[in-house]
Amino acid sequence: AQSVTQLDSQVPVFEEAPVELRCNYSSSVSVYLFWYVQYPNQGLQLLLKYLSGSTLVESINGFEAEFNKSQTSFHLRKPSVHISDTAEYFCAVHRNTGFQKLVFGTGTRLLVSP
Amino acid sequence: EAQVTQNPRYLITVTGKKLTVTCSQNMNHEYMSWYRQDPGLGLRQIYYSMNVEVTDKGDVPEGYKVSRKEKRNFPLILESPSPNQTSLYFCASSVRQTSSYNEQFFGPGTRLTVL
Repeated sequence: AQSVTQLDSQVPVFEEAPVELRCNYSSSVSVYLFWYVQYPNQGLQLLLKYLSGSTLVESINGFEAEFNKSQTSFHLRKPSVHISDTAEYFCAVHRNTGFQKLVFGTGTRLLVSP
Repeated sequence: EAQVTQNPRYLITVTGKKLTVTCSQNMNHEYMSWYRQDPGLGLRQIYYSMNVEVTDKGDVPEGYKVSRKEKRNFPLILESPSPNQTSLYFCASSVRQTSSYNEQFFGPGTRLTVL
């Protein structure tokens, strides 16, 4: 079975500061990794994903995440955040063979203040 | 527009009064799923469906029922709601569940309060 740990339930940061949201996973098989974002009062949107290839993946709004197999991590980073990045971020994983059950972490609320 | 819709978006009800939350997708997806989101617990899967007339339990199925009579619809039924089912519910769909990646698309959510 797969599991995901997001240790930080809330990350407060000032606008234009860098941010890192941490995600660690546990799995006995190879997995795909995802970050989803949930803006206030909205559903989940896929932010970025790692399926294979380059371990560094990027989103269209400046976020990036790096797959680190040895540390079983997939941390999300942004060098300079905006007020509009305020949202809840979920890390998720599913195995890349057989039945693909999407397993979510508990979420990290990013609070960007001016 | 390709989307997953849920109704109602907000619902306040009382213990024991049966309710149904509808979910519909217009993408001809085979796979559909229901999740509940609770603070500190993330999203947990309630039920899923691989195709019409094929449903199975997720991680937290107690107190819920589902049906999949048509490909586009996957209603969530609470026969006798209780306060511990107060939560934010999401429906999701994807093309199918196979060994290759298929993105799951999520609905806007239904906030349910059971008094």
